[in-house]
Order: sequence, then structure tokens, then C-alpha cells
Amino acid sequence: GQQVMQIPQYQHVQEGEDFTTYCNSSTTLSNIQWYKQRPGGHPVFLIQLVKSGEVKKQKRLTFQFGEAKKNSSLHITATQTTDVGTYFCAGLRAYKYIFGTGTRLKVLA
Amino acid sequence: DGGITQSPKYLFRKEGQNVTLSCEQNLNHDAMYWYRQDPGQGLRLIYYSQIVNDFQKGDIAEGYSVSREKKESFPLTVTSAQKNPTAFYLCASSIGVTGLSQPQHFGDGTRLSIL
Repeated sequence: GQQVMQIPQYQHVQEGEDFTTYCNSSTTLSNIQWYKQRPGGHPVFLIQLVKSGEVKKQKRLTFQFGEAKKNSSLHITATQTTDVGTYFCAGLRAYKYIFGTGTRLKVLA
Repeated sequence: DGGITQSPKYLFRKEGQNVTLSCEQNLNHDAMYWYRQDPGQGLRLIYYSQIVNDFQKGDIAEGYSVSREKKESFPLTVTSAQKNPTAFYLCASSIGVTGLSQPQHFGDGTRLSIL
């Protein structure tokens, strides 16, 4: 079936270190969205990537969409305690979004 | 203030009981979704609706039912046929499913537990 896997499942970093989560799909995606869910909260939309090879930046966050539109990554430079949460990718295929398994980030001060 | 309202925040279900989770949006969005989130896992799609009076099954629809009689409302019923209903249920909406995709806006969720 349709699957979107994310690695790593968990990541603990010291404040100031970089962090990357990877999203891999078994099938080509029309686009990909990234969401952040704080502990006890609901997912909040971060960004959407549509074009093959697209790269977008939001302050310390860099998002990439692979050339084959099957994978994506989110990189955070110099993490802060406010970055704590679970990051999900969601790929669009056939009018449905398939969410990745998520990467839970913990930032140690 | 526009948004999505889910109620109740916490819900307890007895064995053999049907329960209904409410989801209301005032964003004038056409598309609405129900997801289930289990601890430490991603979101799995239960049902979605692109337009009033129409809805489609997601990946885990068994044991659930929905209705979409009004644009702003998309209630989810967890039936007694759902043997493992304990989870965090999230409702979302977006401007529309067809055409260019749009971000999904989520409610605060309902935590359902078995008594």
C-alpha cells in the first residue's frame, strides 16, 4: 500500500546543533507538505513543496523536495528549545494526503 | 476568529456504545478530513469529504461513519464495531481537494478512551 516513511523516529540534540528529518515515499507524490505538532497540540502547517528539486527556506528551516518527487527533507540549523515537537511530512497522491510516521525532536538546553 | 472547533476535548466510551465527535469550521472550506493518531505514530485518514453531501473512505474507515449535511460540519461516529477506538482524533479542513492543493487546518483534537 501507499506508505510514507520518516527517519529518524526520534532525535535528541543539544541546543545549537543541527537537525534533519527525511521523508521517503514508495510512489511519486504530486506535492509534499510539512507540519509541526507540539506536545499535546495539533499539527500546524509549515510549508508546501510542489516542483521537482524545489528548495524553500523559512529562517532556520530548509525544506527540499527530491528530483523524483519521492523524497523530501527538513533541516533545522542551530536548533532552539522552541523547535521541540514532532515533524510530519504529508504527500499528496490521488486527492489524499498520506502522512509520514513523524520525527520527534527533543532539544536539550 | 476563524478556525476549526472539535468537541468534546475528552470522551469516554463504554463497550458496545456509539459515540459522535463533533467538528465545526467557519473557514468556508469545502474539504474536511478525519484522522486518527495513535501514540508515537503518524496520522491515518479515516474519512474525507470534498463537498457537502459527499464523502469517501480513507485508509481505516471500518468501524466509523460520517455525514456532511452542512458545509461547516463533519461529525464522526465511532461505532461499536471499532474494537480499538482509543486514540487521538483530529479533524482538518482545507479550501478544496481538487486543483492546487492547499494547507490543512487542524482542530485541537478529541481524545477518546474506553471505559
